Amino acid sequence: RKEVEQDPGPFNVPEGATVAFNCTYSNSASQSFFWYRQDCRKEPKLLMSVYSSGNEDGRFTAQLNRASQYISLLIRDSKLSDSATYLCVVSASGGSYIPTFGRGTSLIVHP
Amino acid sequence: NAGVTQTPKFRILKIGQSMTLQCTQDMNHNYMYWYRQDPGMGLKLIYYSVGAGITDKGEVPNGYNVSRSTTEDFPLRLELAAPSQTSVYFCASTPDRKAFFGQGTRLTVV
Repeated sequence: RKEVEQDPGPFNVPEGATVAFNCTYSNSASQSFFWYRQDCRKEPKLLMSVYSSGNEDGRFTAQLNRASQYISLLIRDSKLSDSATYLCVVSASGGSYIPTFGRGTSLIVHP
Repeated sequence: NAGVTQTPKFRILKIGQSMTLQCTQDMNHNYMYWYRQDPGMGLKLIYYSVGAGITDKGEVPNGYNVSRSTTEDFPLRLELAAPSQTSVYFCASTPDRKAFFGQGTRLTVV
């Protein structure tokens, strides 16, 4: 089983739609969780951290479910500019900090 | 503030050639990483460093070497290029948990 798994998609949605992605992780000792955004042929950029209590940043909401070992990202009122690949990142506690990336979920928002 | 700078941005190598991918950060971060990303795939960790003089292997270290003589620089060396090393290489650094990436180096081995 891969450490971090994501549905590669693509998720094809119209503008204004709400879309959600999930990411599962295998290491129960994982402590840090993030969502990154990667545009085509560009470097990944931090979108948001994911906290146990859930957190929101504008149209984006991230949730963590430790019991089921998954994190989610919800995007409301999708914009054309949201089209990108969304990478789930997980790292375990203790020792060196090693971010482990999922393969990403592709989102295409169309007019 | 330049952040993480990678050079070159593009390179074509012939099989068996060697090269060094440069990575420099000006944020005084201790942690630095090298990842490779193949088309449609996630990032795979090649090597990482927790500080000057300390490096360790990641998931896919074969065919690569690194050094970390200063906090700022973390070069990645390919000794005998192979077609399987055709990929996009990203360098990243972090002060805590949030990683900052360079713009990547697109390497083609022919």
